Amino acid sequence: EVQLVESGGGLVQPKGSLKLSCAASGFDFNSYGMSWVRQAPGKGLDLVADISSKSYNYATYYADSVKDRFTISRDDSQSMVYLQMDNLKTEDTALYYCTVLSPFWGQGVMVTVSS
Amino acid sequence: DVVLTQTPPTLSATIGQSVSISCRSSQSLLDSDGDTYLNWLLQRPGQSPQLLIYSVSNLESGVPNRFSGSGSETDFTLKISGVEAEDLGVYYCMQATHAPRTFGGGTKLELK
Repeated sequence: EVQLVESGGGLVQPKGSLKLSCAASGFDFNSYGMSWVRQAPGKGLDLVADISSKSYNYATYYADSVKDRFTISRDDSQSMVYLQMDNLKTEDTALYYCTVLSPFWGQGVMVTVSS
Repeated sequence: DVVLTQTPPTLSATIGQSVSISCRSSQSLLDSDGDTYLNWLLQRPGQSPQLLIYSVSNLESGVPNRFSGSGSETDFTLKISGVEAEDLGVYYCMQATHAPRTFGGGTKLELK
């Protein structure tokens, strides 16, 4: 059974930092690109960041809204993917999903940026 | 980036009614490899999105065959032939032909 389990969310003040983690199991993690998708309260889905597999040189993508603030990484030996979020803004408040677009999704982890 | 426009934004249906959702793309989603990477997802209330249909018309494993997808190039449709209560939620189209992958704004299916 495929599982994606996110952790690391919480309440943080503006300009603060958080690191999200996603533990993957049940599929050949090394062969898949991984993504973080977020959903602001009552809103739709937005791709935040991607990281490809080793076969594609771990290429990364970032949405313009998070570029230079967020960093995606992965540890294939541990089947983990991470999202380091720095200089957080109130507009980053959302439920963050770890996903293999499109078939596999985690349950999401809430990030709230507020003073 | 590719913009996906879904209509209608909200859809009210009775149980058993057949409904359709449209997804229009700002660019052709036909890839150079001949495939068209347009997927449909359903997000039930309080749940994560789940994949229903991939590559326009292929039903994901375990998805009931009352769901069907069609279309080409820039115009795509998701049809539900006989809505059931478990089908309520928000439907999203998503394209994976062009980087970055993008989502439509969603269509909320409600009970009338």
